[in-house]
Amino acid sequence: ELKVEQNPLFLSMQEGKNYTIYCNYSTTSDRLYWYRQDPGKSLESLFVLLSNGAVKQEGRLMASLDTKARLSTLHITAAVHDLSATYFCAVRQYNNNDMRFGAGTRLTVKP
Amino acid sequence: GAGVSQSPSNKVTEKGKDVELRCDPISGHTALYWYRQRLGQGLEFLIYFQGNSAPDKSGLPSDRFSAERTGGSVSTLTIQRTQQEDSAVYLCASNPDRGLSGANVLTFGAGSRLTVL
Repeated sequence: ELKVEQNPLFLSMQEGKNYTIYCNYSTTSDRLYWYRQDPGKSLESLFVLLSNGAVKQEGRLMASLDTKARLSTLHITAAVHDLSATYFCAVRQYNNNDMRFGAGTRLTVKP
Repeated sequence: GAGVSQSPSNKVTEKGKDVELRCDPISGHTALYWYRQRLGQGLEFLIYFQGNSAPDKSGLPSDRFSAERTGGSVSTLTIQRTQQEDSAVYLCASNPDRGLSGANVLTFGAGSRLTVL
């Protein structure tokens, strides 16, 4: 069974600092997704990573994928308060459209 | 429709009652997922429908939970004899399922918040 682990689960940062969220998964996958969830809201798609070595960047967020290590990272550069949210990674199992989510990383950016 | 629509947005029920939650996916999206999210927790996979294939029910937590998808569009998640531990937000998502080469990003509905007293 596909398992997805994120760490850390909780992250409190100062504005302006950098940090990385990690997403490990247990079986071969060909698609990895990052989503953002604001309190009381549903999930919004941030990135789709389609191949080994893929890197996507949007503003202060950058996501990368290493399929051999079964690892994705979401790097935050010079954090700002607006980035406070819960970030989920999700993995699509290889040759399958089944998608499983990590437990989420609750990010709080403090002034 | 323009997005994934879920109803009701909020449901309060008494323990032991049955509830039905509805999901109307984006038109043309053949894949539909149900997830459960307890307060402050991650997403727990419940069930997945893909086109005309048999659904993947491996995430349903007990036989009190069932789901169907009629005509390849609207889906209903039914919880029988509700228990307090069923209290959660139930999220529905769909994607166009453009084969194994597509990005297949999920679009989520706003969720149905279920409270069992």
